[in-house]
Amino acid sequence: NAGVTQTPKFRILKIGQSMTLQCTQDMNHNYMYWYRQDPGMGLKLIYYSVGAGITDKGEVPNGYNVSRSTTEDFPLRLELAAPSQTSVYFCASSLVPLRDSKGETQYFGPGTRLLVL
Amino acid sequence: GDSVTQMEGPVTLSEEAFLTINCTYTATGYPSLFWYVQYPGEGLQLLLKATKADDKGSNKGFEATYRKETTSFHLEKGSVQVSDSAVYFCALPREGGKLIFGQGTTLQVKP
Repeated sequence: NAGVTQTPKFRILKIGQSMTLQCTQDMNHNYMYWYRQDPGMGLKLIYYSVGAGITDKGEVPNGYNVSRSTTEDFPLRLELAAPSQTSVYFCASSLVPLRDSKGETQYFGPGTRLLVL
Repeated sequence: GDSVTQMEGPVTLSEEAFLTINCTYTATGYPSLFWYVQYPGEGLQLLLKATKADDKGSNKGFEATYRKETTSFHLEKGSVQVSDSAVYFCALPREGGKLIFGQGTTLQVKP
């Protein structure tokens, strides 16, 4: 049981390039999330998904796209990379919504460090 | 709107010192509350949680009590170790499984 895995671990992009950050979980969780973490800041939610085929915007969705074709995978796409997207990106999953379950945790991947120059 | 506020860091302590990291929240209703920990180079891990008022969450020597009257969930440990050096996040769950995080507090413990 690998939990939540993310690839790549680190990437340098030039302005205007595109890339996809991969996220996979093997816990059969319905809910998956993408966060970004900027220095000295907490995590901000980019997009989330409540199940295959369903995605929704979080707090900071601009410049990103997601898809959820399977329960296991939740890739994050950057179409035109900008320096403001330099950050550490975390994918997470949970079995049920935290609000409803009053205690279900989110499981986080190890993160992808992205540098846009 | 809903929010979480943590004390600013970094916090630097000597080994065996007492630790407090303050966390207060603003939310409707009585949500669960979480503390997550991020060790260097790793993702976040759940450290402890409390699901209702007056609950005390505990794990690895850390404790936090859910105080409804002061809307607080302060993290404490009686004797910190070098291995506790990490970034600590207070978090508030909202609808749809979303988490609202505080800005994080960096703890550095020196031998």
